[in-house]
Amino acid sequence: GAVVSQHPSWVICKSGTSVKIECRSLDFQATTMFWYRQFPKQSLMLMATSNEGSKATYEQGVEKDKFLINHASLTLSTLTVTSAHPEDSSFYICSASPRGTGTYSPLHFGNGTRLTVT
Amino acid sequence: SQQGEEDPQALSIQEGENATMNCSYKTSINNLQWYRQNSGRGLVHLILIRSNEREKHSGRLRVTLDTSKKSSSLLITASRAADTASYFCATASYSSASKIIFGSGTRLSIRP
Repeated sequence: GAVVSQHPSWVICKSGTSVKIECRSLDFQATTMFWYRQFPKQSLMLMATSNEGSKATYEQGVEKDKFLINHASLTLSTLTVTSAHPEDSSFYICSASPRGTGTYSPLHFGNGTRLTVT
Repeated sequence: SQQGEEDPQALSIQEGENATMNCSYKTSINNLQWYRQNSGRGLVHLILIRSNEREKHSGRLRVTLDTSKKSSSLLITASRAADTASYFCATASYSSASKIIFGSGTRLSIRP
């Protein structure tokens, strides 16, 4: 149980275009999902907290107009990288914790999306 | 910025040996978790230790937590080639327990 599906697993796009990444909780509901970014051989940097039915909360230094987050349902959050540039090339990973679970519940991660902007 | 640092950044050991990774963090925590990441993949949760716990075991894994020193360690005993991966500690605060912040990670390589 507690499976998180992320799609696509990889995408190549041209500079200036927008890319949408989906994060779905397949067998549980999640009022909150998290989006992380990871550069090669580095750790995961939290970008934003996605809240179902409300605006996302962005970490300091993350441009909310560039990384649009929509959490329209209890099982789906999307991250749209707008006007992508080569420096946006990275590995993006989402995570979620089942709704109603306690404080000591681990997060469940998607398998990530490798974005390459040419 | 990252919550903490991990030490060592990279570790290469012989199969069968034990691997120890250390994690230090900066702020008060609700719990600390260890995750594993195979190259280019998502993260897999390994173990969670609460702030009022000092040691926890799960199979070949042993985790310690010293809140006075703001540090934790992960010990993998009798390592196997399949243990090759990156290992990250992650901390959760009291104010937002589901929002976890990752350490810098340790790349572990097991030589057959």
